[in-house]
Amino acid sequence: EVQLVQSGAEVKNSGESLRISCKTSGYTFTNYWINWVRQVPGKGLEWMGIIYPGDSDTRYSPSFQGQVTISADKSINTAYLQWSRLKASDTAMYYCAKGGGLLQLSDWGQGTLVTVSS
Amino acid sequence: DIQMTQSPSSLSASVGDRVTITCRTSQSISDYLNWYQQKPGKAPRLLIYSASSLQSGVPSRFSGSGSGTDFTLTISSLQPEDFATYYCHQSYSTPQTFGPGTKVDFK
Repeated sequence: EVQLVQSGAEVKNSGESLRISCKTSGYTFTNYWINWVRQVPGKGLEWMGIIYPGDSDTRYSPSFQGQVTISADKSINTAYLQWSRLKASDTAMYYCAKGGGLLQLSDWGQGTLVTVSS
Repeated sequence: DIQMTQSPSSLSASVGDRVTITCRTSQSISDYLNWYQQKPGKAPRLLIYSASSLQSGVPSRFSGSGSGTDFTLTISSLQPEDFATYYCHQSYSTPQTFGPGTKVDFK
């Protein structure tokens, strides 16, 4: 069974750094893309970027390029999303999702709520 | 970026109704179009991929059609558990993009 288990909710102050994680199991981590998706409370889904853990090929939406860093650790089948300086506008739910053969988002983590106070 | 539109933005329906949601893209994406269902407080769930392929475990009352720039999600007979928000998503090019969502609620 494919599982993506994300790290717990975070409450941070503006300007702080943060890394959230997405631990995967039940499939070959290095063979499938991992996506990150943002959802601001009460709003729609926004695609942030994607990483291929096999070779760490990473691509970002222009809206998030330079604002976040996506990475992966093949040794522990885990992907990460990190910020160096959080802003209040980063307050949102963040989901990781496994990409299928046609890049459909076939399996999702439960989400990590990040709250940033100004 | 490929822009996505969905219509309607919301609809009210009754159990047993046939429901159709439309998604349009700003340029041709072949059949790289996916549909998701999201319930409050839950992660999205993949329903349809590649425009018309039913994801494993998804009830057959859900179907998808279309190619190019125009796509449709149909629920043949709405069930109580189908009241949710539905999103289309293009995986044709980077950046991938989602539609704004269609909320289906109880009439």
